[in-house]
Amino acid sequence: QSVLTQPPSVSAAPGQKVTISCSGSNSNIGYNSVSWYRQFPGTAPKLLIYDNNKRPSGISDRFSGSKSGTSATLGINGLQTGDEAEYYCGTWDSSLSVVVFGGGTKLTVL
Amino acid sequence: QLQLQESGPGLVKPSETLSLTCTVSGASISSSNSYWGWIRQPPGKGLEWIGSIYYSGSTYYNPSLKSRVTISLDTPKNQFSLKLSSVTAADTAVYSCARHWIFGVVNNWFDPWGQGTLVTVSS
Repeated sequence: QSVLTQPPSVSAAPGQKVTISCSGSNSNIGYNSVSWYRQFPGTAPKLLIYDNNKRPSGISDRFSGSKSGTSATLGINGLQTGDEAEYYCGTWDSSLSVVVFGGGTKLTVL
Repeated sequence: QLQLQESGPGLVKPSETLSLTCTVSGASISSSNSYWGWIRQPPGKGLEWIGSIYYSGSTYYNPSLKSRVTISLDTPKNQFSLKLSSVTAADTAVYSCARHWIFGVVNNWFDPWGQGTLVTVSS
């Protein structure tokens, strides 16, 4: 059972937009910044979003992040089949004194 | 370009100590205010932070693993290492090292990550 809750799966058609939610509590998302990672099978996670809504150099502007209260959202515009992957959110939990991650969301591009 | 690479045994016997090394290239692990971390992922499961080390040697561990974990720096070799003692089958996972960016108390993320290495605990 992960501290951060993500939907196990989401799907959308190519070209569409999809959002992936990450729900937490006041001790984690409510107080600390959120990061998002993409992981293809058999490879290491790659940072997509940090500090809630900032994109690292080289990450497409099709990816966006937002946070409101104790929830965060990753948005992906203009879906491509190459976006099919597992997506994770992460943050610090101030009560547990630990970095926490969501359970992951598998994105399927239909 | 910063790159990290894990190395170490792929098979460890139950009750023994898992030892992994992360070799860093493209940056110095002794760079001021830098943190370096370990994360693991059991097969088919999610991510679990193991711990991180500050360039000065200060360490921060996941409380659930703290009694069994040691992370240390080898500055001359530009490496940092992970030791996990008294392993069981539940410690079977892909272990990844990463640069851990931490700003203040509220902001942290991992980037980049090493490719990860599978460690299986079995007799």
